[in-house]
Amino acid sequence: AQTVTQSQPEMSVQEAETVTLSCTYDTSENNYYLFWYKQPPSRQMILVIRQEAYKQQNATENRFSVNFQKAAKSFSLKISDSQLGDTAMYFCAVPMIQGAQKLVFGQGTRLTINP
Amino acid sequence: DTGVSQDPRHKITKRGQNVTFRCDPISEHNRLYWYRQTLGQGPEFLTYFQNEAQLEKSRLLSDRFSAERPKGSFSTLEIQRTEQGDSAMYLCASSFLGGENTEAFFGQGTRLTVV
Repeated sequence: AQTVTQSQPEMSVQEAETVTLSCTYDTSENNYYLFWYKQPPSRQMILVIRQEAYKQQNATENRFSVNFQKAAKSFSLKISDSQLGDTAMYFCAVPMIQGAQKLVFGQGTRLTINP
Repeated sequence: DTGVSQDPRHKITKRGQNVTFRCDPISEHNRLYWYRQTLGQGPEFLTYFQNEAQLEKSRLLSDRFSAERPKGSFSTLEIQRTEQGDSAMYLCASSFLGGENTEAFFGQGTRLTVV
């Protein structure tokens, strides 16, 4: 069964700093995707970035990038030039099965960006 | 279409009562997912539909829980004889039929409090 572990329950940085959120996972699938979702306070969860496991190149979306280490089953999220609007819960997730968005989520990291 | 919508946003009920939640997915999405999120945890998969067919139910979904998607559009999640342990945020998500890289769009959730 897939498992996802986020070892940092809370993090706090100053605006404009760079922050890295950690995630490790376990899966028996050979071909899979990994996701980071953001859940702002009282708002819906939105996709931040996704990574294809068979691609060696790390995914990047504007200020968000990942450091994907397949052998170590590590999938960290780096937020550059952090903004107040980045304050949220961040969840790492992996699909339970191929072909569906039936996801296993980590416990989440509460990120606070301070002015 | 403005996204996945859930109703109600909040529900307080007495132990033993039945409750029903509704989810309206993005109109062209044929997959619909229900998750449960307790305080400080990541969402946990409950069940999912492809069109009107319920394809899978988690072991978390006890006999008191039932979900339907009668016409392949909106879905309802009913909890009978609610217990205090049912208190959680119930999240609905939808996606277009596709591979495991397909983005799931989440609603804002229904927060259930059983007193």
